[in-house]
Amino acid sequence: AQKVTQAQTEISVVEKEDVTLDCVYETRDTTYYLFWYKQPPSGELVFLIRRNSFDEQNEISGRYSWNFQKSTSSFNFTITASQVVDSAVYFCALGIAAETSGSRLTFGEGTQLTVNP
Amino acid sequence: NAGVTQTPKFQVLKTGQSMTLQCAQDMNHNSMYWYRQDPGMGLRLIYYSASEGTTDKGEVPNGYNVSRLNKREFSLRLESAAPSQTSVYFCASRRAPAESYEQYFGPGTRLTVT
Repeated sequence: AQKVTQAQTEISVVEKEDVTLDCVYETRDTTYYLFWYKQPPSGELVFLIRRNSFDEQNEISGRYSWNFQKSTSSFNFTITASQVVDSAVYFCALGIAAETSGSRLTFGEGTQLTVNP
Repeated sequence: NAGVTQTPKFQVLKTGQSMTLQCAQDMNHNSMYWYRQDPGMGLRLIYYSASEGTTDKGEVPNGYNVSRLNKREFSLRLESAAPSQTSVYFCASRRAPAESYEQYFGPGTRLTVT
């Protein structure tokens, strides 16, 4: 069975601080995919990034960066110089590449990030 | 393109009533999914349809039924609503068949069962 753990339920920072959201996953599959989604106060789910299990290269997109470490089964998300608009719930998710799985995603419980001005 | 659309946006039901949540996507995606979101529990998969003509149970299917009407539409039915089904429901779609493609979500339906 797959499991995703986001141990940080809530994080509060002041604008311009850097913040890291932790994600730890469990799976027995050797091929899998990791995702981050953002859910702003408006409620929709916005896709941020996908990472394949065979590609451990870190990625940076503007103020966002992701650190994938298979050795610790972690896929952490860092926001640099946070802004008020970054306030949202962030979900980490795991998908396995199995024929019978329908490529369904297993989500973590989410981390509520509040960026205060 | 509208992406993934869901109707209604809000609904209040009495215990025992039935209703159908509608979902449609215009991205020519093969796979579609229904999730529910409850506080502190993330999103949990109710049912999914890997391709037109197939449906399968997810993590929490009890009390629900689904219909993949065609490639575009995937509906979720509550036959006899219960207060435990109060939740926000999200529909999602994925391109397929490649396993790696992300899912795109609709805006959600907020359902309250009294």
